[in-house]
Amino acid sequence: RKEVEQDPGPFNVPEGATVAFNCTYSNSASQSFFWYRQDCRKEPKLLMSVYSSGNEDGRFTAQLNRASQYISLLIRDSKLSDSATYLCVFNNAGNMLTFGGGTRLMVKP
Amino acid sequence: GAGVSQSPSNKVTEKGKDVELRCDPISGHTALYWYRQRLGQGLEFLIYFQGNSAPDKSGLPSDRFSAERTGESVSTLTIQRTQQEDSAVYLCASSKDFGFTEAFFGQGTRLTVV
Repeated sequence: RKEVEQDPGPFNVPEGATVAFNCTYSNSASQSFFWYRQDCRKEPKLLMSVYSSGNEDGRFTAQLNRASQYISLLIRDSKLSDSATYLCVFNNAGNMLTFGGGTRLMVKP
Repeated sequence: GAGVSQSPSNKVTEKGKDVELRCDPISGHTALYWYRQRLGQGLEFLIYFQGNSAPDKSGLPSDRFSAERTGESVSTLTIQRTQQEDSAVYLCASSKDFGFTEAFFGQGTRLTVV
């Protein structure tokens, strides 16, 4: 099993839609989880941390499912400006932050 | 500024030349990462430093690539005898500790080998 698996997409959704991405990880001992956003030709930036109890930031909700070893990101009421690549991140067995390959989201008018 | 700083921002070099890429992490950040990103591709892990030590060098693609870090601060990624396939954006990131807090990225060095 790969350390981290993400559907590369692209996910093409209309404005206002709700879209969700999942990311599976292999290290059951991972403690830290994050979602990053990367715009075209820019560096990745932290979108939000993922807490065990789940957390919400405006239109964005992140959840952790330890039993099935995946994290999810839900975006409600999608905006054109949400178009980007979303990267999941967790700490591996060596306590190094490991990045997924990213899921590309395209929000269309 | 207080962010991760990388230099140069752009570098064009001739095939076969050596290049040095520099990363100044956020002050006090003990962990430092180097990644490579080819156009339209995901992040490719190169190397990771805890302090000045590199416990994981598995990502370096060949012996032409090397990296060092001194004073638990600045890091240099060196590519010897550059090849056209080395053309990419090289990104550096730092974090406060080892894997428990988020990493902050620099704006990258865009390397073009002609």
